[in-house]
Amino acid sequence: AQSVTQPDIHITVSEGASLELRCNYSYGATPYLFWYVQSPGQGLQLLLKYFSGDTLVQGIKGFEAEFKRSQSSFNLRKPSVHWSDAAEYFCAVADNTNAGKSTFGDGTTLTVKP
Amino acid sequence: KAGVTQTPRYLIKTRGQQVTLSCSPISGHRSVSWYQQTPGQGLQFLFEYFSETQRNKGNFPGRFSGRQFSNSRSEMNVSTLELGDSALYLCASSPGQTTNEKLFFGSGTQLSVL
Repeated sequence: AQSVTQPDIHITVSEGASLELRCNYSYGATPYLFWYVQSPGQGLQLLLKYFSGDTLVQGIKGFEAEFKRSQSSFNLRKPSVHWSDAAEYFCAVADNTNAGKSTFGDGTTLTVKP
Repeated sequence: KAGVTQTPRYLIKTRGQQVTLSCSPISGHRSVSWYQQTPGQGLQFLFEYFSETQRNKGNFPGRFSGRQFSNSRSEMNVSTLELGDSALYLCASSPGQTTNEKLFFGSGTQLSVL
């Protein structure tokens, strides 16, 4: 069965510092990978996705992620964090038959220090 | 285009009661998925409907059910509520045609069971 692990429950960075959120997946075939962001009391918004091709994908709000098959990882990065980036971030892998059925990691809460 | 709309936003029920939650997808989207989000279990897939048919189901008891109408609006029902059913219930829609579609999430219904 597919699974997603986000090793870091909580990360704190200073505004302007770089950010990397880790995601490891377990999946038998080529995975469909996503990163979502959730603000308190809100639904999830897609940041970026990977299906195939270039292993470095660009998303919204200045985020990028790199797919590394050898490490089963799909880490999210941002070169300079803004206070508005404080939120919870979820990595997900979609069932290969249906994107509607996705498996999510437990999330990483990002706190941004002024 | 209007986003995914979930009603009600908040619900308070007591154990043993039943509840119905509603989700209106983005116009033109035919797939609606439901997820349960709790602090302890994270985001868990409940089920997915496409063109009025349940296409996928997660590992939840039969007390959790859903349906989809011809206009793609969806409802989920939880009968005989338990304290552990307290959660944020998220609905997501997508066109439903391919496996590499992103999900558009609503803001959720926060259900509290007392």
